[in-house]
Formats: sequence, structure tokens, C-alpha cells
Amino acid sequence: DAGITQSPRHKVTETGTPVTLRCHQTENHRYMYWYRQDPGHGLRLIHYSYGVKDTDKGEVSDGYSVSRSKTEDFLLTLESATSSQTSVYFCAIRGTPSSYNEQFFGPGTRLTVL
Amino acid sequence: AQSVTQPDIHITVSEGASLELRCNYSYGATPYLFWYVQSPGQGLQLLLKYFSGDTLVQGIKGFEAEFKRSQSSFNLRKPSVHWSDAAEYFCAVGEVNGGGADGLTFGKGTHLIIQP
Repeated sequence: DAGITQSPRHKVTETGTPVTLRCHQTENHRYMYWYRQDPGHGLRLIHYSYGVKDTDKGEVSDGYSVSRSKTEDFLLTLESATSSQTSVYFCAIRGTPSSYNEQFFGPGTRLTVL
Repeated sequence: AQSVTQPDIHITVSEGASLELRCNYSYGATPYLFWYVQSPGQGLQLLLKYFSGDTLVQGIKGFEAEFKRSQSSFNLRKPSVHWSDAAEYFCAVGEVNGGGADGLTFGKGTHLIIQP
């Protein structure tokens, strides 16, 4: 158990509303990641963090922002949700202090934008 | 840029039969390679990983994978599948970059169906 929780686990929202998803880890890992999973696309990296207040963009970052004010929490925000952001969102942490990039995933958040 | 191809979207195997799931990657050097499994409605679980050394790696649940540099492949195998192996399987490649924070690049997944 990598000690990762995500909240909420399910959310339905309206187009144009802001949404924030939370990832919480208990392992004090430096690196945290947000991915989205869509049928036919596998998982794609949205944003990642390499420390408190240190974040960077991934492959599909448009329409998303992130924040990390504490080591244990990594927040993903959709400023104005669109139907194309309907997806399952996974948070991940790097499991070791080495450079092997081995990652462990949270249980996911299913987001539906109507 | 790195990429991962899983040529088979769906595979159907009879229970007790052997399994091989294909994965091809594109990367400039020897990458870090992973296989993950996802059961319906669940998160991803790491099955096995390759970093260096022995090209045949063992994982959990009786799975193994073989890294073949000449073919840019990292195929997943199991000698005898169980009904509980029905799931989505993802191959992923990671950056070989000391201290790098880049995320993993995933294939699109192979959906494994087990026939009784």
C-alpha cells in the first residue's frame, strides 16, 4: 500500500464550474503526478511536482492547474470544467528516492462534466 | 520523444492457457520499462519493472517479461492464466535521467478476456 488517497472518488459537475481534485500521500515522497485515463488513450500526464511549490506541465496540461503547498498534498484544479475533461484522474507518487521513476498510483477519481 | 505501442487492444485466452502481451517502445537509449495491471474500477498495480541487468524479469502474480533491445520490445508472459487475470494491462516507459521528474509514457492498454 503506497499510502495514496484521492478525493472525491466520484464527482459530477456542470460545464463552466471550477473543480478541485485532491491527492494525499502519507509517505513523504518528493515527486507526485496527475494523469488522466481515457478509453483508447491509456494514461496521459497532466502535471507533476518535484517538491513543495515546484510543478511543471505534462503532455495534456491545457485547462488544468496544480498546486502543492505541502509535501503530502497535490491539488489538481479545472478552472472552468468542459465536457472534454470528463475522465478518470489518477494521482501517482514516485516510490523510491532513486531515478528509476517507479510510480505507484492512487485509486482514481471519476469526473463527469455535464 | 518516447512512445509505447501495445498492438493488441483485446486478447482472449482460455483459462489455463499461456499468455503473451506485446509491448514495443521507442526511446533513444535503454529505458526503464514497466507493466501495470488495472482491474475494473480500480487503480493501477505495478506487476514488474526492468531497469538493467538480467533481461528476464519476474513480477507478482506469476508474470514475467523479457526485454529485447534488438526488437525494442518488453513482452509480458504468464504460463497459465487464471480467471482473476482478466483486466486491462498497460506497458509504460520512464525516463532514464538521474533525478528526473518526468512522468511515465503509457501504451493504450490491452484488455485481457479469460474464457472458461
